[in-house]
Amino acid sequence: NAGVTQTPKFQVLKTGQSMTLQCAQDMNHEYMSWYRQDPGMGLRLIHYSVGAGITDQGEVPNGYNVSRSTTEDFPLRLLSAAPSQTSVYFCASSNPRTNSYEQYFGPGTRLTVT
Amino acid sequence: DQQVKQNSPSLSVQEGRISILNCDYTNSMFDYFLWYKKYPAEGPTFLISISSIKDKNEDGRFTVFLNKSAKHLSLHIVPSQPGDSAVYFCAASWGTSGSRLTFGEGTQLTVNP
Repeated sequence: NAGVTQTPKFQVLKTGQSMTLQCAQDMNHEYMSWYRQDPGMGLRLIHYSVGAGITDQGEVPNGYNVSRSTTEDFPLRLLSAAPSQTSVYFCASSNPRTNSYEQYFGPGTRLTVT
Repeated sequence: DQQVKQNSPSLSVQEGRISILNCDYTNSMFDYFLWYKKYPAEGPTFLISISSIKDKNEDGRFTVFLNKSAKHLSLHIVPSQPGDSAVYFCAASWGTSGSRLTFGEGTQLTVNP
């Protein structure tokens, strides 16, 4: 099992550019989430999905779009990048039927917007 | 407002001694609490969790204690090892079966040989 994979590992964008951060998992997990981590802060939830075709907003959804057409993939789209979106982005997946509520995290994408 | 807080940005302990990491929360609707460990340039990895209906959970060297009346939880690591040096995040679950987590700011633990 590769677990949760994220691409790219690093990205530099100019203000106003768009891009998609990719996330895939091979554990057949129903739940997937996107978080961002900024210096001195914990991870903050951007969007999440409880199954294919179902997405919802987290704490900091503005400026980001998501869709979930398959169980495996959960891409995060930045439509018009802003310097405030400079951050490290983590994707996570989980199986709601465990009794630990553990989420498995990918290695992260470090995004810089200039 | 910050619903999960870790008030100690850093903690330093000697190898073999106990490490105690603390976390406070404000939302009584949280149903599960989790601890994650994070090394630089890696994603967080799960350590241990506890249901809001319990007050203690153990897994090997790691024990989590929950005090609901004080809205406080702590992670004990005994004995501490140099490989435990990392950032530790406390997280609280809300919503359907752990679909959403709220994280604290993290505590940098350094275990000195």
